[in-house]
Amino acid sequence: KQEVTQIPAALSVPEGENLVLNCSFTDSAIYNLQWFRQDPGKGLTSLLLIQSSQREQTSGRLNASLDKSSGRSTLYIAASQPGDSATYLCAVPYNFNKFYFGSGTKLNVKP
Amino acid sequence: DAGVTQSPTHLIKTRGQQVTLRCSPKSGHDTVSWYQQALGQGPQFIFQYYEEEERQRGNFPDRFSGHQFPNYSSELNVNALLLGDSALYLCASSSDRASYEQYFGPGTRLTVT
Repeated sequence: KQEVTQIPAALSVPEGENLVLNCSFTDSAIYNLQWFRQDPGKGLTSLLLIQSSQREQTSGRLNASLDKSSGRSTLYIAASQPGDSATYLCAVPYNFNKFYFGSGTKLNVKP
Repeated sequence: DAGVTQSPTHLIKTRGQQVTLRCSPKSGHDTVSWYQQALGQGPQFIFQYYEEEERQRGNFPDRFSGHQFPNYSSELNVNALLLGDSALYLCASSSDRASYEQYFGPGTRLTVT
């Protein structure tokens, strides 16, 4: 069974800081890893998808890396803004079709 | 291009009742997965439907059942509702031909009283 852990559970930073969110998984035989953003009471918005053959993906101020051998992924957010405040979740598929999520990191960016 | 849609947005039910939630996948997607998200937790995988059959199932009792229609839309049914079934129910669609990237709907907030 796949287990996904996200650290820290919550993070509060002043605007403009660069920050790193961590995701670890127990079974390294993954097909891909996906990072999501969730605003309170809303659905999930896909941020980045990293295929197992890739080491990183970038979208704007976001950069996600993947190290399968160590079972870790990081999401780097550059120059954080108050609009980045949300919960960030990572998800990995197990047996291709059964997706496991971490509990998320709740980010608060203070103006 | 419409994304994943879900209905209803909110629902209030009484213990013991039955509920049906609906999901329409993103255009071009043929696979629908359902998740339950309790407050403050990550989504928990309920099951996945592909070609109108349940392909994978998470650790949920048989009270949770589903269906997929020929147009790929899907329903989640929950029988004999318990207070603990109160949660945000999320639907995600994907395509086996597109790297399994999942797209989520806005969710249905179910409250059981």
